[in-house]
Amino acid sequence: GAGVSQTPSNKVTEKGKYVELRCDPISGHTALYWYRQSLGQGPEFLIYFQGTGAADDSGLPNDRFFAVRPEGSVSTLKIQRTERGDSAVYLCASSLNGNSPLHFGNGTRLTVT
Amino acid sequence: AQTVTQSQPEMSVQEAETVTLSCTYDTSESDYYLFWYKQPPSRQMILVIRQEAYKQQNATENRFSVNFQKAAKSFSLKISDSQLGDAAMYFCAYRSEYSGGGADGLTFGKGTHLIIQP
Repeated sequence: GAGVSQTPSNKVTEKGKYVELRCDPISGHTALYWYRQSLGQGPEFLIYFQGTGAADDSGLPNDRFFAVRPEGSVSTLKIQRTERGDSAVYLCASSLNGNSPLHFGNGTRLTVT
Repeated sequence: AQTVTQSQPEMSVQEAETVTLSCTYDTSESDYYLFWYKQPPSRQMILVIRQEAYKQQNATENRFSVNFQKAAKSFSLKISDSQLGDAAMYFCAYRSEYSGGGADGLTFGKGTHLIIQP
């Protein structure tokens, strides 16, 4: 595709449920990033993939959050036992390599009720 | 850890006028990158302009230019001839030259909401 695609666009879930958020990066981009943007804030770094491996996961807030990128392309952000505080827009970005400009998707707005 | 501060939650400018958005940052590093991103209601972050810290010359992209003051750790964005399509949230961001420990990601400010008055 022409840009970074994130699905779903919006997700509403109940407290305690499990959710998966998907990111399709631009074809050929080896670097992939996840960010979380809470209301009224700037995005916060969560995790960075270079290829299939998580090169830097220091931004993940706790062990309920996990992300994978098994084939070095599509990535899934997984959140277990969701809490109301997890409500935010989750942004994905990709770049040709770690030093190239980032291209962002439109994000997934997660609402935990 | 690096921090980025945008002290203007909201700015308003008349169409065709010039507006400057402020950004300061705190770092102990000498090599880094600075960015301005635009976020319209679509939520997509769009890169407006990028500055390498080792470059003294201020970056310019058409109507957008920056005033980079490395010693003062200041990185303001000037938008000339403001257009209705410029209305959006604007975020200043910092990226380290180094890797690991969160340095691979961008550190963003809280943003400035830019309103264009017709």
